[in-house]
Amino acid sequence: DQQVKQNSPSLSVQEGRISILNCDYTNSMFDYFLWYKKYPAEGPTFLISISSIKDKNEDGRFTVFLNKSAKHLSLHIVPSQPGDSAVYFCAWVSGGTSYGKLTFGQGTILTVHP
Amino acid sequence: DAGVIQSPRHEVTEMGQEVTLRCKPISGHDYLFWYRQTMMRGLELLIYFNNNVPIDDSGMPEDRFSAKMPNASFSTLKIQPSEPRDSAVYFCASSDRVRGYTFGSGTRLTVV
Repeated sequence: DQQVKQNSPSLSVQEGRISILNCDYTNSMFDYFLWYKKYPAEGPTFLISISSIKDKNEDGRFTVFLNKSAKHLSLHIVPSQPGDSAVYFCAWVSGGTSYGKLTFGQGTILTVHP
Repeated sequence: DAGVIQSPRHEVTEMGQEVTLRCKPISGHDYLFWYRQTMMRGLELLIYFNNNVPIDDSGMPEDRFSAKMPNASFSTLKIQPSEPRDSAVYFCASSDRVRGYTFGSGTRLTVV
């Protein structure tokens, strides 16, 4: 079974700086990882994904890096903005698609200070 | 599109009572998921449907929990009888291969 671990419960960053959120996984067999952002009293919203055939995917201020040898992925937000303050989850998608069932990490609370 | 609609947003009930959570997925999405978020276990999948058929209910904690999807536009998650440890935020999500995943805003359940 795939396990997804986010070992940092929280991260505090100054506005304009880079935020780096980390995620580790246990099983080398996967097709997609997704990153979600969650505000209080709202459901998670999709941010960015990465497939196993890539080592990087970029969308505006958000870049996800995949290191398969280390079984590690990271989300970079540059530059960080106060509106980015939220809980960030990485999630593994089972079934070889980008829309199947998700296994989430525990989440990291990001606080961006003005 | 109004997105995934869940009702109620908040539910407070007494231990032993039946609780029914409702979800209207996005039209055209062929997958529907029920997740639960707690402090101890984070976000965990309870059950999911494909084309209204339950595919994997291995995350349903016990027989007190049941889920149905009578048609493509409606699903329910029922807890009978409810217990204080069922207190959590329950999320419904729907997805398809074109538009991916969308989560609802969740139902915050408190069992006293």
